[in-house]
Amino acid sequence: SQQGEEDPQALSIQEGENATMNCSYKTSINNLQWYRQNSGRGLVHLILIRSNEREKHSGRLRVTLDTSKKSSSLLITASRAADTASYFCGYNTGNQFYFGTGTSLTVIP
Amino acid sequence: KAGVTQTPRYLIKTRGQQVTLSCSPISGHRSVSWYQQTPGQGLQFLFEYFSETQRNKGNFPGRFSGRQFSNSRSEMNVSTLELGDSALYLCASSLLLGDGYTFGSGTRLTVV
Repeated sequence: SQQGEEDPQALSIQEGENATMNCSYKTSINNLQWYRQNSGRGLVHLILIRSNEREKHSGRLRVTLDTSKKSSSLLITASRAADTASYFCGYNTGNQFYFGTGTSLTVIP
Repeated sequence: KAGVTQTPRYLIKTRGQQVTLSCSPISGHRSVSWYQQTPGQGLQFLFEYFSETQRNKGNFPGRFSGRQFSNSRSEMNVSTLELGDSALYLCASSLLLGDGYTFGSGTRLTVV
């Protein structure tokens, strides 16, 4: 399977701390995207990074991409209780789109 | 602007029946893709349509099919339902193929 893997599977932090989650994939990609899902609802697109980019920022989010290691990381700074959700990486290989296994983040107020 | 709309939100079907799910993309988006989410298999790609043509397809049996209409609305059909088809089915649209997707809230299908 080309499904990506994310770690950790679950992460619990205090409000105000930073949260880092990692995604590893198995094939060449065109771009990699990060999504948030609350309680089994639809996914919300957070950020997209293209294969020729190494780092991207959006508000409190910082994403890095290392195509040589086939990995990406998502950093959420100064976390809030509202950030509690599952986070998925997703990547476009050109003919399919794969999601990672997800990281469940709990931010404790 | 309106988001991606999926109907119905919930559905209960019996084994052997067929089901059709509907997705209306964001206005102007020409790419529509479908995903199945289950606790065991996670999020899996079903297929993607662009300008009424299926461009990409995941590894699902032929019982899963879809189509896209000229107004970019899309339908997904599952025939001869099995218990294992119980899942949250998500539709997403994007302006371009493979670009950032906007997801609908999903249709939760239960097969009994």
